[in-house]
Amino acid sequence: GENVEQHPSTLSVQEGDSAVIKCTYSDSASNYFPWYKQELGKGPQLIIDIRSNVGEKKDQRIAVTLNKTAKHFSLHITETQPEDSAVYFCAALMNRDDKIIFGKGTRLHILP
Amino acid sequence: EAQVTQNPRYLITVTGKKLTVTCSQNMNHEYMSWYRQDPGLGLRQIYYSMNVEVTDKGDVPEGYKVSRKEKRNFPLILESPSPNQTSLYFCASSRTGGGWNQPQHFGDGTRLSIL
Repeated sequence: GENVEQHPSTLSVQEGDSAVIKCTYSDSASNYFPWYKQELGKGPQLIIDIRSNVGEKKDQRIAVTLNKTAKHFSLHITETQPEDSAVYFCAALMNRDDKIIFGKGTRLHILP
Repeated sequence: EAQVTQNPRYLITVTGKKLTVTCSQNMNHEYMSWYRQDPGLGLRQIYYSMNVEVTDKGDVPEGYKVSRKEKRNFPLILESPSPNQTSLYFCASSRTGGGWNQPQHFGDGTRLSIL
């Protein structure tokens, strides 16, 4: 069935370094790929998204890249800060039935 | 303030006792959805609704019901809850569904424990 794989499940990086989280999807018809950040006790919040007609999108320290041929997309966080510590989810919209499939999440720890 | 409101935030109940988790959004969004979040499994979609009176099954619909009689409300109903439905539940909404889906706004979650 339709699937989104996310790696790694846990990531620790030194404050100031970069963090990269990768996702692959199975449905070649997927056309919308959001990334969400979930802080403790809160619901997920959108941090950046990308559509299939674009290869890269940037918003300050956060960027997302999409490779449609390989069916994978990645989240890049540069100059990490303590407030970046959270769980991050990627997702893909299955265009044919409007279902959204989430990855299993990545717990990001920013080390002082 | 634009928001998705879920109630209750926490509930402990017993097997078989019907319960409803309410969800309301004040953004005039067409698309609403319910997810459950379990450790190691991420977020899994239970049901979604493209608009009033239109609902569809997500990946894990068994044991749940929903209704969409009004645009702003999308309650989740557990007719006969069982312990395997113990989970953290999130409601979400977005302006539209479909290929141009707008980003979803999530509520703060409802933690359900079924004993």
